[in-house]
Amino acid sequence: ETGVTQSPTHLIKTRGQQVTLRCSSQSGHNTVSWYQQALGQGPQFIFQYYREEENGRGNFPPRFSGLQFPNYSSELNVNALELDDSALYLCASSLTASNEKLFFGSGTQLSVL
Amino acid sequence: GENVEQHPSTLSVQEGDSAVIKCTYSDSASNYFPWYKQELGKGPQLIIDIRSNVGEKKDQRIAVTLNKTAKHFSLHITETQPEDSAVYFCAATDNYGQNFVFGPGTRLSVLP
Repeated sequence: ETGVTQSPTHLIKTRGQQVTLRCSSQSGHNTVSWYQQALGQGPQFIFQYYREEENGRGNFPPRFSGLQFPNYSSELNVNALELDDSALYLCASSLTASNEKLFFGSGTQLSVL
Repeated sequence: GENVEQHPSTLSVQEGDSAVIKCTYSDSASNYFPWYKQELGKGPQLIIDIRSNVGEKKDQRIAVTLNKTAKHFSLHITETQPEDSAVYFCAATDNYGQNFVFGPGTRLSVLP
């Protein structure tokens, strides 16, 4: 059984740039959620994707967007990067949208300079 | 919206002692309360969870208790081992696994 994998592991961008982060869900899981974890804090919900559509969103601006593909993998896109976007971005997959057990990847550490 | 508080922020115990971490939540509609362990350089890992219709759940050395009236839940780790050292997060949700609200975390150090 393959776990949740994320790429890249680390990324450095400058303010105003755009970034795309990728996630492969655990085998058999059709739902992907994205979380932002600032240093020393708990993860914050960005959004969830189920059946290739956004299925819930946290308190993040529209410049945070996502995609889910037919194989259930997902992308997180962030436009017009700001310094405060520097954080660990975590992807979590679950068996279905109504299953609460989340399985997290190791995350992508994004630094915005 | 939901707000989850967690105490203490850091906790040091001697190997073999017990550790207790407490969380409070604000939204009475929350019905699922997981606990996650995050080791350095890794993502959070689910270690135990409890639903609102249950008061206590145990899995080997780990247990969780829930008091719905007081809106608080606690993680209990007995016979702690050095490998229990990590950051622990509590969370709450009311919406089929969406929009988990996490606490700020507790850094547990188990001293040999």
